[in-house]
Amino acid sequence: DAGITQSPRHKVTETGTPVTLRCHQTENHRYMYWYRQDPGHGLRLIHYSYGVKDTDKGEVSDGYSVSRSKTEDFLLTLESATSSQTSVYFCAISDPGTALGGYTFGSGTRLTVV
Amino acid sequence: QKEVEQNSGPLSVPEGAIASLNCTYSDRGSQSFFWYRQYSGKSPELIMSIYSNGDKEDGRFTAQLNKASQYVSLLIRDSQPSDSATYLCAVNVGSSNTGKLIFGQGTTLQVKP
Repeated sequence: DAGITQSPRHKVTETGTPVTLRCHQTENHRYMYWYRQDPGHGLRLIHYSYGVKDTDKGEVSDGYSVSRSKTEDFLLTLESATSSQTSVYFCAISDPGTALGGYTFGSGTRLTVV
Repeated sequence: QKEVEQNSGPLSVPEGAIASLNCTYSDRGSQSFFWYRQYSGKSPELIMSIYSNGDKEDGRFTAQLNKASQYVSLLIRDSQPSDSATYLCAVNVGSSNTGKLIFGQGTTLQVKP
């Protein structure tokens, strides 16, 4: 959708390899989030950012790290991919000036770890 | 552990009927409540937000909030086949102003022509 893009859209990787997913926004929103979506679990927060170089953990952060060196980019890294990290990953942005928690989501990245 | 509960469905309604989707949450400190719609294979999109007890209407959609009962609902009037999707209830994490949300697992709605 306009304003937020994720790359890649699909990726297959091998167990034990590092993987980086990218989220790019053109809305200049302060808040950015990474969620994963799995059947039976819904959307779960991995990490979030409230500004450049300001990040914090979500409920399922083990095995993941993030970085935000610019307002527009939020990177999610799987340090050593495992099969349990096979999932659909969504990035979201939020503007505290309007409705904090009213997210705009990216199109998602479908990651398969084999 | 803070939770948001939804009936997974599927909820099946005929075209033109009212669809009623329900959600309960565990954190009494939550202040912001959202409904997202997700079509199969697509990303969620925000359709309603509500912050105060009572009803909020937007077109065919009405969100209802009862903080005392920790209950949020979404009514869809004059349901259309294009409304067939999964509806996600989301609640902010306590008094946090970080915008972190807890999502329910979603209710699948099927509108039959």
